[in-house]
Amino acid sequence: AQRVTQPEKLLSVFKGAPVELKCNYSYSGSPELFWYVQYSRQRLQLLLRHISRESIKGFTADLNKGETSFHLKKPFAQEEDSAMYYCALKVSANQAGTALIFGKGTTLSVSS
Amino acid sequence: NAGVTQTPKFRVLKTGQSMTLLCAQDMNHEYMYWYRQDPGMGLRLIHYSVGEGTTAKGEVPDGYNVSRLKKQNFLLGLESAAPSQTSVYFCASSSAGEAGELFFGEGSRLTVL
Repeated sequence: AQRVTQPEKLLSVFKGAPVELKCNYSYSGSPELFWYVQYSRQRLQLLLRHISRESIKGFTADLNKGETSFHLKKPFAQEEDSAMYYCALKVSANQAGTALIFGKGTTLSVSS
Repeated sequence: NAGVTQTPKFRVLKTGQSMTLLCAQDMNHEYMYWYRQDPGMGLRLIHYSVGEGTTAKGEVPDGYNVSRLKKQNFLLGLESAAPSQTSVYFCASSSAGEAGELFFGEGSRLTVL
């Protein structure tokens, strides 16, 4: 079965503390994973994708196929990082093309 | 350049009523999607389309129908609304070459009484 699991509903940290948002996946094919973010009163938007191995706004995520994980990390949290974060997996359905399925999301709250 | 536009943004329905949500995109994207967002459930894929005239079922398709008669539009229909369909609905689109980068609409909040 294809599935994305984000075990934490809420993660609260202090400004300057490290952040790790967990994501695990289940997929029989070659996985492509993404992190999306939804800031208050803004549209859901792509944060980063594992294929590009980029760092966006100080966030990084490494795909670990052995542990089937794609955790999002940032060494020093900022208050503006407070948002809802979704991990997403691209799935294929033969003739029906591809689509993204999302985890349940983790709310990150950064306080000073 | 409006991106992805959803109408209406808010709607209240009575159980059994029908309605259609319209999604329009001006980015010439091949793929379009409908998701619902519920507290504690995250985003769940309802239906999607990989091109004009084609649709496919997602994770939670029951109770919904869709149509993609024009490339730029993707309609989500509720034939007989139920309280369980109270949710925030998001439309998204992507190009076929960058199917992982979805562009989302602002959402449509639907309440079924």
